Amino acid sequence: GENVEQHPSTLSVQEGDSAVIKCTYSDSASNYFPWYKQELGKRPQLIIDIRSNVGEKKDQRIAVTLNKTAKHFSLHITETQPEDSAVYFCAASSNNQGGKLIFGQGTELSVKP
Amino acid sequence: ETGVTQTPRHLVMGMTNKKSLKCEQHLGHNAMYWYKQSAKKPLELMFVYSLEERVENNSVPSRFSPECPNSSHLFLHLHTLQPEDSALYLCASSQSLLVSYEQYFGPGTRLTVT
Repeated sequence: GENVEQHPSTLSVQEGDSAVIKCTYSDSASNYFPWYKQELGKRPQLIIDIRSNVGEKKDQRIAVTLNKTAKHFSLHITETQPEDSAVYFCAASSNNQGGKLIFGQGTELSVKP
Repeated sequence: ETGVTQTPRHLVMGMTNKKSLKCEQHLGHNAMYWYKQSAKKPLELMFVYSLEERVENNSVPSRFSPECPNSSHLFLHLHTLQPEDSALYLCASSQSLLVSYEQYFGPGTRLTVT
């Protein structure tokens, strides 16, 4: 079955710097890659997702890139702000898995003012 | 309330108690999920339901018993739990299992087993 590895487990950056979180997946049939943000004490919420027919997607300060050949995808946050501090989870899914999401281990991002 | 709701938000129970967690989605989705989230661990998928039919049970101990009476409601019945079952239990829903879609999470139930 699918296995998703996420790195780093913790990441500390200065406000205004960029942050990059990387994930690798094992199942070449995976075709949907969402990223969730979970603030302390709150529910995970989708911040951006990408399907396998595109290589990059951007939404304001957040972007996701996908390399299907290497089976890895990354989250890029530019001009980080203290409110970006949270745990970020990547996930992978394929239609033949019934839409089941396999999550990475999570990255705790801390943005220092 | 819109989206996915869960009750109770916090629960403390002894190992011999029986309790139930409730989840309700107001999104018209056909698929619902139970996840366990322990400290410093990834989200662990426990159960998946599609149109009230259980389609996945990820080797979850029988002390956890799910129930899905209709596509809007999902329960997790708990009995004779262990202290290691203490965790945040998250419910989620998605449009369908036919295609990969965004999952919408509830706020979770923080469970403590004493």
